[in-house]
Amino acid sequence: NAGVMQNPRHLVRRRGQEARLRCSPMKGHSHVYWYRQLPEEGLKFMVYLQKENIIDESGMPKERFSAEFPKEGPSILRIQQVVRGDSAAYFCASSPPGYRAVELFFGEGSRLTVL
Amino acid sequence: GQQLNQSPQSMFIQEGEDVSMNCTSSSIFNTWLWYKQDPGEGPVLLIALYKAGELTSNGRLTAQFGITRKDSFLNISASIPSDVGIYFCAGQYNTDKLIFGTGTRLQVFP
Repeated sequence: NAGVMQNPRHLVRRRGQEARLRCSPMKGHSHVYWYRQLPEEGLKFMVYLQKENIIDESGMPKERFSAEFPKEGPSILRIQQVVRGDSAAYFCASSPPGYRAVELFFGEGSRLTVL
Repeated sequence: GQQLNQSPQSMFIQEGEDVSMNCTSSSIFNTWLWYKQDPGEGPVLLIALYKAGELTSNGRLTAQFGITRKDSFLNISASIPSDVGIYFCAGQYNTDKLIFGTGTRLQVFP
């Protein structure tokens, strides 16, 4: 049973370019979350999605960041016109439906470096 | 944004020693979870707690959901080198997003 799959594992972008990070949840999981982690810090919530729905995007920056979880295919976190401050590890997590929906299973992360 | 406070921030211990760390919040939570993160990897769920006062074990790990619902504790007994990593607590109120603590960095010396 494959875990949460994220790609790419590492991404280098120049300032002003776009970054797209992909996440495929675990089989049977219907909830997807994105968290950001700066070096030596904890995980900061960004957005919570279900298929074709954004449930909570209170942690997303108001500009340049967007997320989607289409009916088919992986969830995408998109960062437009990247700046150096966007350099971080971005983790996707998924959870099962029901009372255990709080038990998040994380992918290995996508590490974005902005030059 | 809101974060949970973990202490200690870091620990350096001898192999075989027991470890205790805790997590506190100014607001109550319905659920507490503990995760471990190895360098370059994603966090891995260790223990989930759903009721105030609950005490749950997973091998050498034991975690408790504080009675006030504002804190949680994690103990590791007889530490081994592979316990090295960063331990995060996380809390949830109702169906809100999961909030993570600041982390406790554990180093185990042989």
